[in-house]
Amino acid sequence: GAGVSQSPRYKVAKRGQDVALRCDPISGHVSLFWYQQALGQGPEFLTYFQNEAQLDKSGLPSDRFFAERPEGSVSTLKIQRTQQEDSAVYLCASSLGVAAFFGQGTRLTVV
Amino acid sequence: KQEVTQIPAALSVPEGENLVLNCSFTDSAIYNLQWFRQDPGKGLTSLLLIQSSQREQTSGRLNASLDKSSGRSTLYIAASQPGDSATYLCASPNVGSGGGADGLTFGKGTHLIIQP
Repeated sequence: GAGVSQSPRYKVAKRGQDVALRCDPISGHVSLFWYQQALGQGPEFLTYFQNEAQLDKSGLPSDRFFAERPEGSVSTLKIQRTQQEDSAVYLCASSLGVAAFFGQGTRLTVV
Repeated sequence: KQEVTQIPAALSVPEGENLVLNCSFTDSAIYNLQWFRQDPGKGLTSLLLIQSSQREQTSGRLNASLDKSSGRSTLYIAASQPGDSATYLCASPNVGSGGGADGLTFGKGTHLIIQP
């Protein structure tokens, strides 16, 4: 497809389980962003890649969160030892310049 | 650090009315201001982007304005329709450590309901 694709769309994890969320950006887009959106809130910035380089990870809430983009295309956001407060929608966006294009998100529920 | 605030948090109006959504930001040194629409269970769709050198942008029934000196932006929706019901978010780019923009700071959004 032509847009940003995220998988899975929904994920239910037991507390303590590790999860991996995938983002396929628009082909050729250099910049890739991850955001966390809690219920009723706006998205909160997590991390930013330019090609394979992670230029900003200041928004990652703890060292349980890890993101990678090894070949400058697909990115994976990994959350280790999930906790209930990690329940949120995780949005990925990609950009070639000014405007960012968002995927539909992965809704993570930790039970 | 940039802070973005949106009021009202929720708004319900009858179909056909013109309406204004408000967005304020604390740091006037912004690159641009962007308005998004989010439907339930969906990602964000960009509506309008106003560069820092611009005062407004228009797309169909939507008009967004930017006043950097007062730290405000408004989204004007003319002749509202039930299909306009969604959450509207405004966002401003963060300035990265290298001086370039990275990521966006979002407001919490305005949840808009247009009554048929």
